[in-house]
Amino acid sequence: DGGITQSPKYLFRKEGQNVTLSCEQNLNHDAMYWYRQDPGQGLRLIYYSQIVNDFQKGDIAEGYSVSREKKESFPLTVTSAQKNPTAFYLCASSPQAYSYNEQFFGPGTRLTVL
Amino acid sequence: QKEVEQNSGPLSVPEGAIASLNCTYSDRGSQSFFWYRQYSGKSPELIMFIYSNGDKEDGRFTAQLNKASQYVSLLIRDSQPSDSATYLCAVDADAGGTSYGKLTFGQGTILTVHP
Repeated sequence: DGGITQSPKYLFRKEGQNVTLSCEQNLNHDAMYWYRQDPGQGLRLIYYSQIVNDFQKGDIAEGYSVSREKKESFPLTVTSAQKNPTAFYLCASSPQAYSYNEQFFGPGTRLTVL
Repeated sequence: QKEVEQNSGPLSVPEGAIASLNCTYSDRGSQSFFWYRQYSGKSPELIMFIYSNGDKEDGRFTAQLNKASQYVSLLIRDSQPSDSATYLCAVDADAGGTSYGKLTFGQGTILTVHP
């Protein structure tokens, strides 16, 4: 059963903690993306990766970090430097690197800061 | 800053009517355009993409693109209550840069189809 999985579905973070959101895909897609969505808003790009061991900052990368050690995995770390991390986090993938492919989304992780 | 603007909504249409969702974009070099549907509390689902000027039809959905006017729209014919959702327009970045694969999303239009 191919698709994109994100875990956990819900995550609670205390002030000052770093947390890591998981994103895995078994679609053999080259490119992967992380977005953030705030209530009533569109999606904003945090980081994206076209190939393994390479990634680029999106529009709101401050306070976040990523790695792309494997093609199928693109974890996102929300660091304590991110001052307003409560949001819905969406991971996406697309078939080909450096192309105008459509992006497919995982189910998302809701992060809440306590 | 590349911008994508959608009609503010919310949009309410009766069941069976045509719903028209509109999107304008600022980057004249954009080449790829996507429409996503997002149900409340869920992730976006791709419903249409269009690359060339003109119309593209898929079932009850028609995407229309006019690059000269920097305008893309989505028409939903025979609207059903199950079409009630937020519709997101997304536009790819200019190919002349280094932004392959980046999408800029509009803020979304909430559509309600009432029986």
